[in-house]
Amino acid sequence: DQQVKQNSPSLSVQEGRISILNCDYTNSMFDYFLWYKKYPAEGPTFLISISSIKDKNEDGRFTVFLNKSAKHLSLHIVPSQPGDSAVYFCAASATSGYSTLTFGKGTMLLVSP
Amino acid sequence: DAGITQSPRHKVTETGTPVTLRCHQTENHRYMYWYRQDPGHGLRLIHYSYGVKDTDKGEVSDGYSVSRSKTEDFLLTLESATSSQTSVYFCAISGDRDLSYEQYFGPGTRLTVT
Repeated sequence: DQQVKQNSPSLSVQEGRISILNCDYTNSMFDYFLWYKKYPAEGPTFLISISSIKDKNEDGRFTVFLNKSAKHLSLHIVPSQPGDSAVYFCAASATSGYSTLTFGKGTMLLVSP
Repeated sequence: DAGITQSPRHKVTETGTPVTLRCHQTENHRYMYWYRQDPGHGLRLIHYSYGVKDTDKGEVSDGYSVSRSKTEDFLLTLESATSSQTSVYFCAISGDRDLSYEQYFGPGTRLTVT
């Protein structure tokens, strides 16, 4: 039973355009959400997070949007750069339940010049 | 970058042999985790620790054991390696808040079981 779903295995975007990565979750107890970026042969690095009390969080070129009613979150990267090419993992947790992170399977983003 | 190292970084071993992977942190963080990453599966939690000698199972714990005798070290042992345990293993840590929040990952260990 996959509780965090990233339904697009890959995404290709041109440099300078917007990249939108999507994530859906099924567990209504999840109230904290994170995005990680992973380059080949490296460990995942934390990118941005959002609590369920918010619907948007920005950090530079990265913005995460949360739609609780749809159990959906998205990561927007504007403008996209070739260095953003990586695998992006969505993760979620239920903070009141003292739960660990549950990760999605990842989306590979390719930003072409 | 969080001070996390993993050793070895690469290992090839034969089916049936025991293997121990080491995770070492210099951040004095309370929580430590072991994940495996496989194509089509993302990151799956194997075991985690919430303090010295305190550990618990994750989603895919069968065939693995862990130990934490010091805050800084978290060991993952495959008692008798199988080909299905060929994977990339990541250690992670988290500290200030509980285990529901941001984790910081090590560089990974690529394990091949032949």
